Amino acid sequence: DQQVKQNSPSLSVQEGRISILNCDYTNSMFDYFLWYKKYPAEGPTFLISISSIKDKNEDGRFTVFLNKSAKHLSLHIVPSQPGDSAVYFCAARVYGGSQGNLIFGKGTKLSVKP
Amino acid sequence: AAGVIQSPRHLIKEKRETATLKCYPIPRHDTVYWYQQGPGQDPQFLISFYEKMQSDKGSIPDRFSAQQFSDYHSELNMSSLELGDSALYFCASSFAGTGSGKGVDTQYFGPGTRLTVL
Repeated sequence: DQQVKQNSPSLSVQEGRISILNCDYTNSMFDYFLWYKKYPAEGPTFLISISSIKDKNEDGRFTVFLNKSAKHLSLHIVPSQPGDSAVYFCAARVYGGSQGNLIFGKGTKLSVKP
Repeated sequence: AAGVIQSPRHLIKEKRETATLKCYPIPRHDTVYWYQQGPGQDPQFLISFYEKMQSDKGSIPDRFSAQQFSDYHSELNMSSLELGDSALYFCASSFAGTGSGKGVDTQYFGPGTRLTVL
């Protein structure tokens, strides 16, 4: 059963507009959420994260919002640029022991058109 | 800045052969994670090591084993390879309790090793 869900496999946005990527989760024990960007033939690149005690984290053009009651988070990219075109993975972590592994969603392919 | 290094980048093996994948974490990182990503799939956690000890275990087959060495690099050993083992294998590293501002235990990924089993 998929604990982290990205229900939109793809998203197309015009350059300069806002991109909103959504992620839902089912496990209330997740305490940390991350977004990764992945280009073909490369490893996932860390973008931004948010702790479960916060509801918003911002880093430049990227903002992540967390709604714990809805078990939903979203990544906003403003303004979108063609170089943002990639697959975006939402990941979550259950804190266990000294380290915790990440559970990934299936990814959303973002295409930013010039 | 130094990133996670994985070798080899590509590997082709026959069924029932063995393979060894290597991962060199970012300097001063003490934790290594291994993930497997099949075609069109999300990365699936296999196993992790913290300070050279196994810290967590995911969906790693019994045919696979891994270890972390004194210099913190890690090797994933895969035996009796099957066609279904063909996938991208990612290594990630992190530093416990980092003050980087990027978040505790943020995992940084290597470029991956593409394993093809024929």
